[in-house]
Amino acid sequence: DAGITQSPRHKVTETGTPVTLRCHQTENHRYMYWYRQDPEHGLRLIHYSYGVKDTDKGEVSDGYSVSRSKTEDFLLTLESATSSQTSVYFCAIRLADTDTQYFGPGTRLTVL
Amino acid sequence: GNSVTQMEGPVTLSEEAFLTINCTYTATGYPSLFWYVQYPGEGLQLLLKATKADDKGSNKGFEATYRKETTSFHLEKGSVQVSDSAVYFCALSDSNFNKFYFGSGTKLNVKP
Repeated sequence: DAGITQSPRHKVTETGTPVTLRCHQTENHRYMYWYRQDPEHGLRLIHYSYGVKDTDKGEVSDGYSVSRSKTEDFLLTLESATSSQTSVYFCAIRLADTDTQYFGPGTRLTVL
Repeated sequence: GNSVTQMEGPVTLSEEAFLTINCTYTATGYPSLFWYVQYPGEGLQLLLKATKADDKGSNKGFEATYRKETTSFHLEKGSVQVSDSAVYFCALSDSNFNKFYFGSGTKLNVKP
């Protein structure tokens, strides 16, 4: 499972509140990703990181920010959550010099 | 731009039936192509991949061939089992493996 954990696993919050999701890996992989999964869209890339303090936007980055201050942690922040951000969020790592990703178990976020 | 289109589900089959899940893609450059599987309550797992035209990926009885001329990567299995019931995602990566694009997923139900 490439040593990926996500926290929290479930969260219910209210519109307008800030939310931070954490992805933690134990194997010092350089590349980390945040996706959201929605039934009608499948998985869509939010942001990704290619090293400490190095991040870039994906397809659906509006309303989300990320930070990576150390190799093992990649944080996803919703500055002011909206109901449209209700989703399941997956973190993934990619092995360097390969095209293979490994996914974490997911975080189910509900914004009321 | 890059995108993946896969057949809508759910697909319902009897055990030992032949499976095909269609996937077509649009891409610039020379993408790698993937099939991922997701079991209930879990993250995605890599099922198979192909990195260049005419490559065949295979794993656990599943196969898919990278067809550049038809921009397709259809998933096939000769005899499905109840344990194959899951959601299957087709995906591609850009040439640098930095960004990944997923289809919307196809749910497979296999009945005994």
